Amino acid sequence: KNQVEQSPQSLIILEGKNCTLQCNYTVSPFSNLRWYKQDTGRGPVSLTIMTFSENTKSNGRYTATLDADTKQSSLHITASQLSDSASYICVVSADSWGKLQFGAGTQVVVTP
Amino acid sequence: DVKVTQSSRYLVKRTGEKVFLECVQDMDHENMFWYRQDPGLGLRLIYFSYDVKMKEKGDIPEGYSVSREKKERFSLILESASTNQTSMYLCASSLLKGGTTEAFFGQGTRLTVV
Repeated sequence: KNQVEQSPQSLIILEGKNCTLQCNYTVSPFSNLRWYKQDTGRGPVSLTIMTFSENTKSNGRYTATLDADTKQSSLHITASQLSDSASYICVVSADSWGKLQFGAGTQVVVTP
Repeated sequence: DVKVTQSSRYLVKRTGEKVFLECVQDMDHENMFWYRQDPGLGLRLIYFSYDVKMKEKGDIPEGYSVSREKKERFSLILESASTNQTSMYLCASSLLKGGTTEAFFGQGTRLTVV
């Protein structure tokens, strides 16, 4: 069973609207949680990295939250743009060596 | 600008062929990783290396081997390609003792085995 579950699997939003993606994890112990953006046909690119002591982190129009007690994270996209169309992947690291557990991703499509 | 470069974007190989996927990073990172990405499954770790000539099996090493003769280069080898190895392969690198150190990914190699 995957230790990192993401929802929804996909969503379609209108340009300019906001959306929130969810990530639940069971990875333990926990070192840090990352959100990556992956454009079609390209490698993932990091958006945010949070340790257990951080509960929110922003990168432009992207805001990630983390609740280490409930093992949940969310990624909020504000005022979506067409360029936000991509897969968003939640990644959890259980140790300091850099080994990562990946969620299956949420496919976001922004329409005009 | 940091860079992880994979030698090919697209490859088509025949069943039974020996396949080499090459990855080079220019950031002097100790850690290097090979993943495969399949729809609905996310990225799954095949092998990783934390030093030259060192390698560790990931979650799905069967049918694969790796080589790390130089710090900047990490090769994935399919000894005898099979159709179930058709996938997107991604290489990544990061500093040792990753902590919150970012992992950087290559562009990916889409391999089709026919």
